[in-house]
Amino acid sequence: EAGVAQSPRYKIIEKRQSVAFWCNPISGHATLYWYQQILGQGPKLLIQFQNNGVVDDSQLPKDRFSAERLKGVDSTLKIQPAKLEDSAVYLCASIQGAGGYNEQFFGPGTRLTVL
Amino acid sequence: AQKVTQAQTEISVVEKEDVTLDCVYETRDTTYYLFWYKQPPSGELVFLIRRNSFDEQNEISGRYSWNFQKSTSSFNFTITASQVVDSAVYFCALSDDYKLSFGAGTTVTVRA
Repeated sequence: EAGVAQSPRYKIIEKRQSVAFWCNPISGHATLYWYQQILGQGPKLLIQFQNNGVVDDSQLPKDRFSAERLKGVDSTLKIQPAKLEDSAVYLCASIQGAGGYNEQFFGPGTRLTVL
Repeated sequence: AQKVTQAQTEISVVEKEDVTLDCVYETRDTTYYLFWYKQPPSGELVFLIRRNSFDEQNEISGRYSWNFQKSTSSFNFTITASQVVDSAVYFCALSDDYKLSFGAGTTVTVRA
């Protein structure tokens, strides 16, 4: 069974530029998460989708971040315009159901550097 | 609000020593789930163990064991007879209905 796929693995941009990350969850997993992990910290939830609907985006900086999961499968996270403090690893995770007891399966992450 | 505290920032041991990672959590929920995840240098978080709030039985799984105590809101994790491959960042996490909150992580370095 293929794991969670993410691309690109690395991205370097100048501040005020835009960037997009892509995630393809494990087949059949209805719930998808995007996390931001700043160096030396634990992952912080940005947004949660169940199928193609948003469950929680309370910690997503909506003035610059957006995310979509149009067909309930893969997802895109965008930052526009990027700031220096957006430098982090962006992790995508998925679970089969929707409950908090389910283990989350994580992708390898996209490491973003904003110069 | 949920909060997970991992007081140990870094632990360094020699191979075959035991390593115990501390985790203290805060939640107002009566039903919750506790997890330990491992993040090796490759970056991908890997699920290790899970416990629900109604089951305080401590268990051993291979070289991993855990001690869950609701009275002190602690969920400690032990690696017995550590190996170099255990070198990674270990995260304790707390989940309610759907949201997972992570601690800051403990970096474990196992020296040969």
